[in-house]
Amino acid sequence: DVKVTQSSRYLVKRTGEKVFLECVQDMDHENMFWYRQDPGLGLRLIYFSYDVKMKEKGDIPEGYSVSREKKERFSLILESASTNQTSMYLCASSLGGEDTQYFGPGTRLTVL
Amino acid sequence: GESVGLHLPTLSVQEGDNSIINCAYSNSASDYFIWYKQESGKGPQFIIDIRSNMDKRQGQRVTVLLNKTVKHLSLQIAATQPGDSAVYFCAERQAGTALIFGKGTTLSVSS
Repeated sequence: DVKVTQSSRYLVKRTGEKVFLECVQDMDHENMFWYRQDPGLGLRLIYFSYDVKMKEKGDIPEGYSVSREKKERFSLILESASTNQTSMYLCASSLGGEDTQYFGPGTRLTVL
Repeated sequence: GESVGLHLPTLSVQEGDNSIINCAYSNSASDYFIWYKQESGKGPQFIIDIRSNMDKRQGQRVTVLLNKTVKHLSLQIAATQPGDSAVYFCAERQAGTALIFGKGTTLSVSS
């Protein structure tokens, strides 16, 4: 079975803090994705990566950056957290860019 | 841009009934569809998928139907159980692009 893990289930940060969300997959998948999920808005793609050190902007990249130094790990970075970044953050991976995506358990981030 | 939509945001059923969750898609070029289940506080979980060269696919207690003529996708859950309570959403793949997700239907199962 595909296993996608995220470093934290719940996180509380203060406005202006730098926040790191980590995601690890164990299936040697090429592609990894970061989404945020908000009530009434569904899943929105922030960034994705199709290879080590490669990244592409999704639909809502503003205020975020990513890092993929190793194939199994994809990090989402909030350089200066703001209250409107309070959300559920979901990481996913897939073998190919158009294949089924498998999700991690999510990180619920609250920015105060 | 085009998006995947769902007919109803909520669906309430009795335990033991069959549930049908619907999804409409707008791009006739989409060739692959997935249903996910998301329980409260958890990440989405893959349930079943179907390719556009099929019109029906069955899993354990679940069936996905694809009607390309009207661009409609449905998920049928047989003998619905309280553990089936969750948000269900569909996703479509448009060739050459990433998956596009619908907003979800909340299924509530009462005993």
